[in-house]
Amino acid sequence: NAGVTQTPKFQVLKTGQSMTLQCAQDMNHEYMSWYRQDPGMGLRLIHYSVGAGITDQGEVPNGYNVSRSTTEDFPLRLLSAAPSQTSVYFCASSPGPGLVYNEQFFGPGTRLTVL
Amino acid sequence: DAKTTQPPSMDCAEGRAANLPCNHSTISGNEYVYWYRQIHSQGPQYIIHGLKNNETNEMASLIITEDRKSSTLILPHATLRDTAVYYCIVRVVGGGFKTIFGAGTRLFVKA
Repeated sequence: NAGVTQTPKFQVLKTGQSMTLQCAQDMNHEYMSWYRQDPGMGLRLIHYSVGAGITDQGEVPNGYNVSRSTTEDFPLRLLSAAPSQTSVYFCASSPGPGLVYNEQFFGPGTRLTVL
Repeated sequence: DAKTTQPPSMDCAEGRAANLPCNHSTISGNEYVYWYRQIHSQGPQYIIHGLKNNETNEMASLIITEDRKSSTLILPHATLRDTAVYYCIVRVVGGGFKTIFGAGTRLFVKA
């Protein structure tokens, strides 16, 4: 299994540009999440999904959209990039309900710079 | 989910035990304690979790106080590769999709 994969690894955008960060998992996990991590800070939850077709907002959802058309994929869209969105973005997945520990598996991250 | 409080940083000598504390005084009866770590700029990695009993696995031990208001993660023989940020998280069963991370404890293991 490849686990959780993210593309691209690095990206530079200009203010106002839009782009999609890709996330895929091959573990048949129901739950997927997007986090951002600013320098020296902990992770903050952006959006999450509990299954295909179901998404909800986390702590810092403004400026981002998500969709979940398949179990495997959970893309994150930046609608109009701003310098404040410069960050490292992590995607995570975890098994569905009914499992006690529900460990999260994280991808390697996408490092985004907005000029 | 309950909030947690951790010291911002700690030092440990290589080969010694690293004891990382966490306060979670508002934890609910159905919330578990989880620990993750993040090495450099990689994605966080699950370490261990527990409800009220002490737990041990190949990576670490977790000691939870009887009143469940605090816990300690123990790395029995710390190595330089254990230098990382360690996150203590409390959340309900099945809430893995909505984990709230705090700032964590930055552990420096020194030779």
